[in-house]
Amino acid sequence: NAGVTQTPKFQVLKTGQSMTLQCAQDMNHEYMSWYRQDPGMGLRLIHYSVGAGITDQGEVPNGYNVSRSTTEDFPLRLLSAAPSQTSVYFCASSYSQEAYEQYFGPGTRLTVT
Amino acid sequence: AQSVTQPDIHITVSEGASLELRCNYSYGATPYLFWYVQSPGQGLQLLLKYFSGDTLVQGIKGFEAEFKRSQSSFNLRKPSVHWSDAAEYFCAVHNQAGTALIFGKGTTLSVSS
Repeated sequence: NAGVTQTPKFQVLKTGQSMTLQCAQDMNHEYMSWYRQDPGMGLRLIHYSVGAGITDQGEVPNGYNVSRSTTEDFPLRLLSAAPSQTSVYFCASSYSQEAYEQYFGPGTRLTVT
Repeated sequence: AQSVTQPDIHITVSEGASLELRCNYSYGATPYLFWYVQSPGQGLQLLLKYFSGDTLVQGIKGFEAEFKRSQSSFNLRKPSVHWSDAAEYFCAVHNQAGTALIFGKGTTLSVSS
């Protein structure tokens, strides 16, 4: 199993550009989530999904969109990038429909100039 | 609301010495608690978890943690630290809906020789 994979590893955007961060898992996990990690802030939940076709907002959802058309994939879209979205983004998944034992991807480091 | 506090931002321990990282949580019922480790430039790896039962839980890499309900604590311990343990450590609790993990801000561990 590859586990949770994320692409790209690094990305630089200009303010106002849009992009999609990709996340995929091959463990047939129902629950998937996106977090952002900022220095001194820990990890904060952006969006999560408890199964295909079901998504919901987390703590910091503004400026981000998600969809879950398949069990395997959970892309995160930045609609109009802002410098405040400079961060490291982690995707995670869990075998249940609840956010218990989560497996994390390697992260995407995003810089918005 | 649920929350996690890690009082120590940075700790330095000598190689071979014992380690204790503190974690306090706020939660209305029996919590599900987790410790994750993040090596530089990497994603998060689950060290151990507490769901119920024995309050002393064993994890990977020689780590253990003790759940103390009376103190609302879930401290991480290791009897003898290795240089490879240098990393950032996060304590987390799940929210009451089971839809998210709530992370502390992390403790950075440095190991001196």
